[in-house]
Amino acid sequence: GDSVTQMEGPVTLSEEAFLTINCTYTATGYPSLFWYVQYPGEGLQLLLKATKADDKGSNKGFEATYRKETTSFHLEKGSVQVSDSAVYFCALSDRGSQGNLIFGKGTKLSVKP
Amino acid sequence: NAGVTQTPKFQVLKTGQSMTLQCAQDMNHNSMYWYRQDPGMGLRLIYYSASEGTTDKGEVPNGYNVSRLNKREFSLRLESAAPSQTSVYFCASSEFPGGITEAFFGQGTRLTVV
Repeated sequence: GDSVTQMEGPVTLSEEAFLTINCTYTATGYPSLFWYVQYPGEGLQLLLKATKADDKGSNKGFEATYRKETTSFHLEKGSVQVSDSAVYFCALSDRGSQGNLIFGKGTKLSVKP
Repeated sequence: NAGVTQTPKFQVLKTGQSMTLQCAQDMNHNSMYWYRQDPGMGLRLIYYSASEGTTDKGEVPNGYNVSRLNKREFSLRLESAAPSQTSVYFCASSEFPGGITEAFFGQGTRLTVV
């Protein structure tokens, strides 16, 4: 079945450091890929998405490129801020999941001043 | 603009008790979902309703039932709570199933079963 694997956390960075959170997937078809973010005490919210190979999703300084050849969708940000501290979830949706979102286990990011 | 509203926010149950988690969305979305979030497990789909009048099992449906009361409301019922159901429960909605359109999440219900 479909699945998403993302790097285990927690990840602790200093402010202005470069961020990469790795995400790889297994899917039966051609999935859409997503990054969701969960701030403390809140529900998840969509950060960015890409719906086909080579698409780049971007939002709030975060980027991720849909790489079909490596089945990856790594999240990057050039300079993190304290306000980026949150849990980040990689997810996919495709025919194999009846269109439902399949989530990775989440990566907790803490950014220190 | 409330989005997705879940009630209650916190609940403690004794083993064997029953309860219903309520969820309502005001975005006129067709699809609604219930997930549970456990440490180290990410979010797992319990049940979903692709459209009004339909419900289907997700990855972890055992011990739960759902009702799509109308287009706005989707409730999750625990008939006989067990400690293994201690979790944070999230309701979500989207205009269409899955990732075609963005999913919006409620703030969660933290349930403890003792």
